[in-house]
Amino acid sequence: GENVGLHLPTLSVQEGDNSIINCAYSNSASDYFIWYKQESGKGPQFIIDIRSNMDKRQGQRVTVLLNKTVKHLSLQIAATQPGDSAVYFCAEDTGNQFYFGTGTSLTVIP
Amino acid sequence: GAVVSQHPSRVICKSGTSVKIECRSLDFQATTMFWYRQFPKQSLMLMATSNEGSKATYEQGVEKDKFLINHASLTLSTLTVTSAHPEDSSFYICSARVRQRETQYFGPGTRLLVL
Repeated sequence: GENVGLHLPTLSVQEGDNSIINCAYSNSASDYFIWYKQESGKGPQFIIDIRSNMDKRQGQRVTVLLNKTVKHLSLQIAATQPGDSAVYFCAEDTGNQFYFGTGTSLTVIP
Repeated sequence: GAVVSQHPSRVICKSGTSVKIECRSLDFQATTMFWYRQFPKQSLMLMATSNEGSKATYEQGVEKDKFLINHASLTLSTLTVTSAHPEDSSFYICSARVRQRETQYFGPGTRLLVL
């Protein structure tokens, strides 16, 4: 894959603060985007998704923003908790291809 | 939500032996299943995509004779690592999807250690 060998960027936030994790996607044909959370030793877990006909979608404590103009995706986590510590991956889907981002390691400081 | 299981969760084997990993979609029918490999602190690397009843499509650099994939039903795909070597030691993760442009649901992963 395109991200082979890249090491994860990291983000540290204080418990209770909001977290923003960013992702730049590369394929303008991508029209479906997903955020996953991966805890150590486990498989990725679906968090939230968004289609290209939207620019914002909210879930429980999470919001995904999509800016198609600059091909940018972000995940906002409100009132970050220690249980939010994990690696977060964005993914893009063109219908024919599915790409995983490099991931961001989030550490929540109690 | 959709649940995907993998078995075994952890396996240790001797060099030269073959190991089979199962991936099952428990509460939905998966038209497509995917197999990934992940090294520590790295992203997931797609190995192959399999559609039920068809031959798997392998990513560049992945040996199809080394990593045998069978997708015999809409709820089961298997990955067999043949003649495993220590460099095959890794975390293998499967995912399943109902259709294109829908969420891939991931299994819990299988930790393979080849001695």
